[in-house]
Amino acid sequence: GAVVSQHPSWVICKSGTSVKIECRSLDFQATTMFWYRQFPKQSLMLMATSNEGSKATYEQGVEKDKFLINHASLTLSTLTVTSAHPEDSSFYICSASDGGGVPYEQYFGPGTRLTVT
Amino acid sequence: GQNIDQPTEMTATEGAIVQINCTYQTSGFNGLFWYQQHAGEAPTFLSYNVLDGLEEKGRFSSFLSRSKGYSYLLLKELQMKDSASYLCAVLDSNYQLIWGAGTKLIIKP
Repeated sequence: GAVVSQHPSWVICKSGTSVKIECRSLDFQATTMFWYRQFPKQSLMLMATSNEGSKATYEQGVEKDKFLINHASLTLSTLTVTSAHPEDSSFYICSASDGGGVPYEQYFGPGTRLTVT
Repeated sequence: GQNIDQPTEMTATEGAIVQINCTYQTSGFNGLFWYQQHAGEAPTFLSYNVLDGLEEKGRFSSFLSRSKGYSYLLLKELQMKDSASYLCAVLDSNYQLIWGAGTKLIIKP
């Protein structure tokens, strides 16, 4: 149980274009979803937290107009990187919490590797 | 500020035991997580400690001392597949996860 999927697993796009990443909880309802980015050999950096049906809460320094997050249902959240630039190239990971079991445990998706050329 | 410290890298031998330490200074404490992350993959949950003491789960054990702001992850009977990064994360007073930079564990035959 507690499986989270992400799509696509990797994507290459040209500078200036937009990319959408989907995060789905497959066998549970995710009350909260999180989006992280991770640069090589660095830890996870939380970008934003979203609850179903409400606006995402962005961490300081994360541009909400550039990284659009939509949490349309209890099983789906999307991250759109708008007008992507090479410095946006990173490993993007989503996670989801169902509010049960171990308190605040997050179940992670497999990640999406974004390369902007 | 909030801070979590872990060694950057450790090396151990297959079949041996290794202890990965984590010290933290956070605004409040609502539990400490250990996650395992293989290269290029997402983290997977290993343990959660909220009370002092040792929690054992198979070959992995996790210890917490809240008064010392300290935790360790103990891995026994190391296998090559245990080569990964181990992330320590603390749930602060706002129930936000504060992540350490991770410890890369290299297992040698």
